Amino acid sequence: NAGVTQTPKFRVLKTGQSMTLLCAQDMNHEYMYWYRQDPGMGLRLIHYSVGEGTTAKGEVPDGYNVSRLKKQNFLLGLESAAPSQTSVYFCASTAPSGIYEQYFGPGTRLTVT
Amino acid sequence: RKEVEQDPGPFNVPEGATVAFNCTYSNSASQSFFWYRQDCRKEPKLLMSVYSSGNEDGRFTAQLNRASQYISLLIRDSKLSDSATYLCVVNPGANNLFFGTGTRLTVIP
Repeated sequence: NAGVTQTPKFRVLKTGQSMTLLCAQDMNHEYMYWYRQDPGMGLRLIHYSVGEGTTAKGEVPDGYNVSRLKKQNFLLGLESAAPSQTSVYFCASTAPSGIYEQYFGPGTRLTVT
Repeated sequence: RKEVEQDPGPFNVPEGATVAFNCTYSNSASQSFFWYRQDCRKEPKLLMSVYSSGNEDGRFTAQLNRASQYISLLIRDSKLSDSATYLCVVNPGANNLFFGTGTRLTVIP
């Protein structure tokens, strides 16, 4: 099992450009999450999904959109990137019964210039 | 007020030392509590759950004090491999977790 994978691992964008981050999991987990991690801020939840076709806002959703068209994939989109979105993005997944153990992907380091 | 607050450290301790971290949480209705470990430039991973009765796993002991709303992690006989950032994590009862900013530990030879 690959667990949780994220694509790409690194990306540099110019202000105003758009991009999509892909998260995939092969553990048949229902729940999936997108976080960003910034120095001194810890992990902050952007959006999450409790099942295929459903999404919900987290703590810091502005400037991001998500889609969960397939159970194993969770996409995070930036429509018009801003320097404030420079961060490390982590995807995670969990089964409902084990919500405390979230399995994380390796992260995507995004720089917006 | 933040949901979870931790002392960011860094804690620099010699090998073999005992070190303790605390964190506090703001939501008294929070239901479950955990410690995650994050190595430098890596993803977080679950270290252990925290129960009211205390939880021990080898050299690691976690405690919960609901009355004071704080959680602790004790590491005995520190090893070089324990160097990492330790994240205090709280489930407020919803479908997600709240993560503290982490406490950085460096174990020195």
